[in-house]
Amino acid sequence: GAGVSQSPSNKVTEKGKDVELRCDPISGHTALYWYRQSLGQGLEFLIYFQGNSAPDKSGLPSDRFSAERTGGSVSTLTIQRTQQEDSAVYLCASSLMLAGAGEQYFGPGTRLTVT
Amino acid sequence: GQNIDQPTEMTATEGAIVQINCTYQTSGFNGLFWYQQHAGEAPTFLSYNVLDGLEEKGRFSSFLSRSKGYSYLLLKELQMKDSASYLCASYTNAGKSTFGDGTTLTVKP
Repeated sequence: GAGVSQSPSNKVTEKGKDVELRCDPISGHTALYWYRQSLGQGLEFLIYFQGNSAPDKSGLPSDRFSAERTGGSVSTLTIQRTQQEDSAVYLCASSLMLAGAGEQYFGPGTRLTVT
Repeated sequence: GQNIDQPTEMTATEGAIVQINCTYQTSGFNGLFWYQQHAGEAPTFLSYNVLDGLEEKGRFSSFLSRSKGYSYLLLKELQMKDSASYLCASYTNAGKSTFGDGTTLTVKP
């Protein structure tokens, strides 16, 4: 079946512009995660959606970052007034949360470059 | 708070066994995952431990001690394709995950 998809795969933007990153999770997966990964670094947790519950936004680095998940499926991560330090690979993952944590399936990521 | 520690780099020889350790301090700990990530690719799931003990999946095994906040990933019969970054991740009972910075494993002939 189809895995997690993300678009665009690459995005180059000028400092100060807004960007939107999209994630299509695996159908039926109730949990969706956004992470950021800088070159040679681990995954930095950004935000987590679980079903219809309020999202856990505790990892968002600033108020320039926001995310939505419409209809419990597609999610959009928005970065306003981008800065050069926002350059990274943004990874989305989904999991089937029946009880407790579930294995996460990752998308291919969006490589964001802010010039 | 959440804190994950694992070695930055390890080197091993093809055909050998290597153990990658991970220690964690996680409030509301629920389980621990190991992921493999090849350069330029997304992480892929390797194993998941909730209870103390060893979970074996082919050449890969993972161990968990909840009382010690400790886990390890054991890779047997190393192959060149096992050269990758190995990420340890703890999960809370609310589903939130914290990843370590990863251990870069280099397998040499």
